[in-house]
Amino acid sequence: EDKVVQSPLSLVVHEGDTVTLNCSYEVTNFRSLLWYKQEKKAPTFLFMLTSSGIEKKSGRLSSILDKKELFSILNITATQTGDSAVYLCAVDCTSGTYKYIFGTGTRLKVLA
Amino acid sequence: DSGVTQTPKHLITATGQRVTLRCSPRSGDLSVYWYQQSLDQGLQFLIQYYNGEERAKGNILERFSAQQFPDLHSELNLSSLELGDSALYFCASSVARGSGELFFGEGSRLTVL
Repeated sequence: EDKVVQSPLSLVVHEGDTVTLNCSYEVTNFRSLLWYKQEKKAPTFLFMLTSSGIEKKSGRLSSILDKKELFSILNITATQTGDSAVYLCAVDCTSGTYKYIFGTGTRLKVLA
Repeated sequence: DSGVTQTPKHLITATGQRVTLRCSPRSGDLSVYWYQQSLDQGLQFLIQYYNGEERAKGNILERFSAQQFPDLHSELNLSSLELGDSALYFCASSVARGSGELFFGEGSRLTVL
């Protein structure tokens, strides 16, 4: 059965800290891995990763994929209170028919 | 603003009732996806439509049904509601048939009393 596991489930840090969120997967037909940030309502897209070892970066956020070890990490440096959210990892394993598997997310709280 | 519009934002109803959730995808997007998110649960895929046709089904109950209309908006019908159906229901859209970035609406929060 395809599955996506995120860790930790929750995390509390102070402003300025660096955090690393983990996403591991076991799927039968990997196409890409996506990261989303969910604050109060709609998940918003952060990154899509398809190739191993190539870092994607956006401001203080960065992510990398390891297709051999089947995981991805999302790094946030110099965290701010506005980074407080649930971070969702999803794996696109579409094969003919649509199939995205979402993890349950990591809840990050950044304290001032 | 993702460009995906969902109505209503909130809905409170009783067990046994039927409700309809509506979604308008981003302009130009042909694919619509419905997800259910219960408290402290991840996003559970329900169903996908592409250009009016059902393309994929996930963990959608038989009491639930959906359709996508010629103008590409979609409706999710939930009937014989149970307490456990209380959740946030998201619609997402994408331009592609079944892959790539998904754009999510703000969700419809359903409370069944």
